[in-house]
Amino acid sequence: AAGVIQSPRHLIKEKRETATLKCYPIPRHDTVYWYQQGPGQDPQFLISFYEKMQSDKGSIPDRFSAQQFSDYHSELNMSSLELGDSALYFCASSHRQGRGETQYFGPGTRLLVL
Amino acid sequence: KQEVTQIPAALSVPEGENLVLNCSFTDSAIYNLQWFRQDPGKGLTSLLLIQSSQREQTSGRLNASLDKSSGRSTLYIAASQPGDSATYLCAVRWETSGSRLTFGEGTQLTVNP
Repeated sequence: AAGVIQSPRHLIKEKRETATLKCYPIPRHDTVYWYQQGPGQDPQFLISFYEKMQSDKGSIPDRFSAQQFSDYHSELNMSSLELGDSALYFCASSHRQGRGETQYFGPGTRLLVL
Repeated sequence: KQEVTQIPAALSVPEGENLVLNCSFTDSAIYNLQWFRQDPGKGLTSLLLIQSSQREQTSGRLNASLDKSSGRSTLYIAASQPGDSATYLCAVRWETSGSRLTFGEGTQLTVNP
């Protein structure tokens, strides 16, 4: 079965640089989520999109922005990177179907900021 | 504040043992609850989802239960195997928090051969 695809899988950036993470949801899924998992921590919700519109916003820094495109893929843009942005970034997707809605996670993008 | 707690943080058991992982949450108005497995440095694999109206869900050797009134969920793993070694995360979606998941800090399970 098709899974959530994330690219790149690994990314190394310098402080103050920018990064763009991409997410391709499972086909026919209408909702995309972004989570950040710091070292030794649990995933924290950043932002979500439903049918290409922002649906919820969590603890996402103002330096970050995201969007969902017409083909339902999503991109997370990160600017003025800081050392503390080093983390594993997950994208998840789901098909809106009430209480049985399962979020399926991608393999993550590991970002290292030097 | 809506929080999810998992105890213990780590658990080591011999192969073949049946075990229970615990998850507690502070607000009983949940929409659903998911259990995930995470291998070191890897993504999250969804194991089971329990809807707020359900009491339990089963998949193979896994059984998850939900008791909203007491704010608890348990993940039961039968006949544990070394391949079950991973971190198990509980995540809650609340009625009042949109569709985001709030995760516990996980239980790191080691099954010794």
